[in-house]
Amino acid sequence: SQQGEEDPQALSIQEGENATMNCSYKTSINNLQWYRQNSGRGLVHLILIRSNEREKHSGRLRVTLDTSKKSSSLLITASRAADTASYFCAQITGNQFYFGTGTSLTVIP
Amino acid sequence: DTGVSQDPRHKITKRGQNVTFRCDPISEHNRLYWYRQTLGQGPEFLTYFQNEAQLEKSRLLSDRFSAERPKGSFSTLEIQRTEQGDSAMYLCASSWGQGEEDTQYFGPGTRLTVL
Repeated sequence: SQQGEEDPQALSIQEGENATMNCSYKTSINNLQWYRQNSGRGLVHLILIRSNEREKHSGRLRVTLDTSKKSSSLLITASRAADTASYFCAQITGNQFYFGTGTSLTVIP
Repeated sequence: DTGVSQDPRHKITKRGQNVTFRCDPISEHNRLYWYRQTLGQGPEFLTYFQNEAQLEKSRLLSDRFSAERPKGSFSTLEIQRTEQGDSAMYLCASSWGQGEEDTQYFGPGTRLTVL
């Protein structure tokens, strides 16, 4: 399977704290994307990072990419209760998207 | 709302019955994807269309599954002779088809329960 893996599988933090989740993937990539999924809903695209980029920011999100280790991390700063969701990394190989197993984030108010 | 829509949102059926799901993509998007997602897992690719052409199918898509996208607009996913193992969330997504920088827009999903 080309499915990546997120770590940790579940994360629980207090509102205002930072949340970090990691993604490992198996094959070479041109870019990696992060998506968010609220319970029982579809996924929403958060951010894309290209293979020649090491870090990218979008609002309270910071994504890093280490292609030598085939890993990426997503940092959410100053978390809010509304950030409670599952977060997935996704890689595109050819015309297929491969999603990781996800990190379930709970932000406690 | 011009997002991706799916119908129905929930479907309960008995084993052996046929079910059909519909997806209406964002109108300007030429690519449409179907995924299956089980609890605690990420979405697994099933198939995708470029306009009306079905270009790729996962080996997960057994011969009981068929998908169509007539006229390159909405798509249907049919499961024949449903099995309990088919119980899952079926997600549809659409995109512009921008190669490896493509971004997908997902519908809310159809949750299938096979009794």
